[in-house]
Amino acid sequence: AQKITQTQPGMFVQEKEAVTLDCTYDTSDQSYGLFWYKQPSSGEMIFLIYQGSYDEQNATEGRYSLNFQKARKSANLVISASQLGDSAMYFCAMREGGDTGGFKTIFGAGTRLFVKA
Amino acid sequence: DTAVSQTPKYLVTQMGNDKSIKCEQNLGHDTMYWYKQDSKKFLKIMFSYNNKELIINETVPNRFSPKSPDKAHLNLHINSLELGDSAVYFCASEGELDKQYFGPGTRLTVT
Repeated sequence: AQKITQTQPGMFVQEKEAVTLDCTYDTSDQSYGLFWYKQPSSGEMIFLIYQGSYDEQNATEGRYSLNFQKARKSANLVISASQLGDSAMYFCAMREGGDTGGFKTIFGAGTRLFVKA
Repeated sequence: DTAVSQTPKYLVTQMGNDKSIKCEQNLGHDTMYWYKQDSKKFLKIMFSYNNKELIINETVPNRFSPKSPDKAHLNLHINSLELGDSAVYFCASEGELDKQYFGPGTRLTVT
């Protein structure tokens, strides 16, 4: 079963508008972390934002905010005032306990965002 | 200063060869990872090490052997390369709030 589901393979947004990238997750852990990473066409992975499962407030980092709805197990990324440089692949990820100890981060399949001028 | 570096950036080799990818982090982190990103951009964890000790091995074939000579380095050796090993391999180290810092990736092409 998918642990991290990103239902939007691709999305378009007009420059300067806000966009929401969807992410739902599945875990039985009580303590876990949720992340979003950006991968531009150059290939590097860039950390954007983090939300802990016990954090009551939604995380924000500049133009990025994470809409955390624990009961729904969703962790959507909201990008406000989109810029052309936001065009990239976006990955939702979850950190949880591994089967054999330790922790591991599981990534969703990604959403490719295209920002139109 | 590069936080997490990988060498080489590109690697083209023939089936059956043995190759290594090196990773170094200068962040002082204890935990490092190897990920494989396939042609569909799916990113999957392979290994994790904490302070030179293997913590997670995600049922990766035995042909893949990670080695951590010290906590700043986590190298990946691959024996008897196969076509299906072609992918981008990312090294990452983990810091505060479980935030992972990724290396630039190594694009491996097996012909």
